[in-house]
Amino acid sequence: KQEVTQIPAALSVPEGENLVLNCSFTDSAIYNLQWFRQDPGKGLTSLLLIQSSQREQTSGRLNASLDKSSGRSTLYIAASQPGDSATYLCAVYPLSSGSARQLTFGSGTQLTVLP
Amino acid sequence: EAGVVQSPRYKIIEKKQPVAFWCNPISGHNTLYWYLQNLGQGPELLIRYENEEAVDDSQLPKDRFSAERLKGVDSTLKIQPAELGDSAVYLCASSPGTGKTGELFFGEGSRLTVL
Repeated sequence: KQEVTQIPAALSVPEGENLVLNCSFTDSAIYNLQWFRQDPGKGLTSLLLIQSSQREQTSGRLNASLDKSSGRSTLYIAASQPGDSATYLCAVYPLSSGSARQLTFGSGTQLTVLP
Repeated sequence: EAGVVQSPRYKIIEKKQPVAFWCNPISGHNTLYWYLQNLGQGPELLIRYENEEAVDDSQLPKDRFSAERLKGVDSTLKIQPAELGDSAVYLCASSPGTGKTGELFFGEGSRLTVL
């Protein structure tokens, strides 16, 4: 059974700092990996999706990398801003077909960027 | 383009009462998901539909939970009777095609409090 772990559970940084959020997964047979952002009381917003054949994806100040063989992904946020404060979740989508094909989420990293 | 729409956003009920949540997915998205999210945790899948067929309901507590997706568009998730432990956020998500890409788009969720 796939397990997804995100460490740390919470992170607080001063504004302007570059930071890295970590995600690890136990089963490397994945189709893709997705990073989401969740603001308090809100749903999940997709940030980046990395296909299993890709090494990284970039969107603005965000860069996500994927090392499938080691079961790791990182989300790099450059020049952090208070508006980046949210919970960041990673989720993996398996290669298997049929009923087993569902996203498995980590518990998230709660990020606070201090002004 | 409208996103995934859920209602109600908030619901407070007493235990043993019934409750229903409604979801309207993104137009053209064939795959619809219901997730349960407890505080500080990642979402967990309850049921996945491809068109009107429930292809994965293995994690749906069928003694009290039921779901339907008539005509393969809108979906309703019902709990009857509700228990204290059902207090959580119920998230609906949709995906284009038959879920091949694994890219999910989430609604803002329905927060249930059972007293």
